[in-house]
Amino acid sequence: NAGVTQTPKFRVLKTGQSMTLLCAQDMNHEYMYWYRQDPGMGLRLIHYSVGEGTTAKGEVPDGYNVSRLKKQNFLLGLESAAPSQTSVYFCASRPDLTTEAFFGQGTRLTVV
Amino acid sequence: QKEVEQDPGPLSVPEGAIVSLNCTYSNSAFQYFMWYRQYSRKGPELLMYTYSSGNKEDGRFTAQVDKSSKYISLFIRDSQPSDSATYLCAMSAYSNYQLIWGAGTKLIIKP
Repeated sequence: NAGVTQTPKFRVLKTGQSMTLLCAQDMNHEYMYWYRQDPGMGLRLIHYSVGEGTTAKGEVPDGYNVSRLKKQNFLLGLESAAPSQTSVYFCASRPDLTTEAFFGQGTRLTVV
Repeated sequence: QKEVEQDPGPLSVPEGAIVSLNCTYSNSAFQYFMWYRQYSRKGPELLMYTYSSGNKEDGRFTAQVDKSSKYISLFIRDSQPSDSATYLCAMSAYSNYQLIWGAGTKLIIKP
């Protein structure tokens, strides 16, 4: 049982480049989340999904897009990367609203 | 003002000490309270989960929730260097899809 898997683990982008971060969970969870974590800022919610085919904006959605075409996958896209998007990105999933979230190991992204 | 307040630390204590970590919150609708531990360059992992008020104990760890004061605590007894990590509190209400997070407290246990 792999849990929550994030791909890639590290990436360096040039300003203006695009990329997609993949989150895959094998626990059949309904709810999935993308966070970014910056020093002293804690976890900030970018986008989330309450089920297959749904997405919603979180606290800091600007510059990011998401899709959840399959229940097990939640994709985070950066269309035109900016240095301000340098961060560690975490994906998480929950089976329902009464339980804890399970996290992936993170993607460390640097935009130069 | 943030919905959840947590002192970012760092908090440095000697090995064997009792550690107290705390979060305060403003939303009285919160019912589910969690403590996560995050080691450097790793994802957060659930440490303790508590529903509503009261205490929960698991080995050296005790979680307390005081809903009347809107205050939660995590106690670590006989602290070990391996407990050095960032501890994040999180909470939610059933009606809310999101978990609301504290900023995390960096804990350092000195051998």
